[in-house]
Amino acid sequence: DSGVTQTPKHLITATGQRVTLRCSPRSGDLSVYWYQQSLDQGLQFLIQYYNGEERAKGNILERFSAQQFPDLHSELNLSSLELGDSALYFCASSVGGPSGVTYEQYFGPGTRLTVT
Amino acid sequence: AQKITQTQPGMFVQEKEAVTLDCTYDTSDPSYGLFWYKQPSSGEMIFLIYQGSYDQQNATEGRYSLNFQKARKSANLVISASQLGDSAMYFCAMREGRNTGNQFYFGTGTSLTVIP
Repeated sequence: DSGVTQTPKHLITATGQRVTLRCSPRSGDLSVYWYQQSLDQGLQFLIQYYNGEERAKGNILERFSAQQFPDLHSELNLSSLELGDSALYFCASSVGGPSGVTYEQYFGPGTRLTVT
Repeated sequence: AQKITQTQPGMFVQEKEAVTLDCTYDTSDPSYGLFWYKQPSSGEMIFLIYQGSYDQQNATEGRYSLNFQKARKSANLVISASQLGDSAMYFCAMREGRNTGNQFYFGTGTSLTVIP
């Protein structure tokens, strides 16, 4: 158990809908990362938050957004869903201390999204 | 150019033998970190080992060691005394710099199958 929790574990929804994925980082970790893993694209970095602020953006679509709350949990919002958004969505956390040095990320179990 | 390259889509190894999973990386940043993760069929991502660019010695964690060849920009994972439970996807990853805003880059993975 990595200490990172993600809910829900599975999500099935229809095209055009909007969903929210939730992540709670490990205790003490300030950085949260979101990844999308699909069969054809591999593991793609979406976005990173550090202590409530957006710090890095990867291949995140405009239909997707995220935020990190004061209690450090994070939510990834996916809207106007398309069939191609079906994937495993991972949240990861790391220490990311004030000096900016980060080490390993610890991954949550993932949310498997199926868009029908 | 790809930041992380894993050229072995699939590997087989006999139980109790050692196996090397290849990873090459591309960066011009003198400060970076290299990571290996394991993803079993259950889907979770498990952190295995970390190597910093300034580390003088190769990292080791139990049966895992990282063969770090800086001049060749390679960071191969060596698994000694393979076990059936080692059958999984293995991902090499890199973080550039020491800033909290630096994202992680993942390779496409190598599927390892341990044969009894």
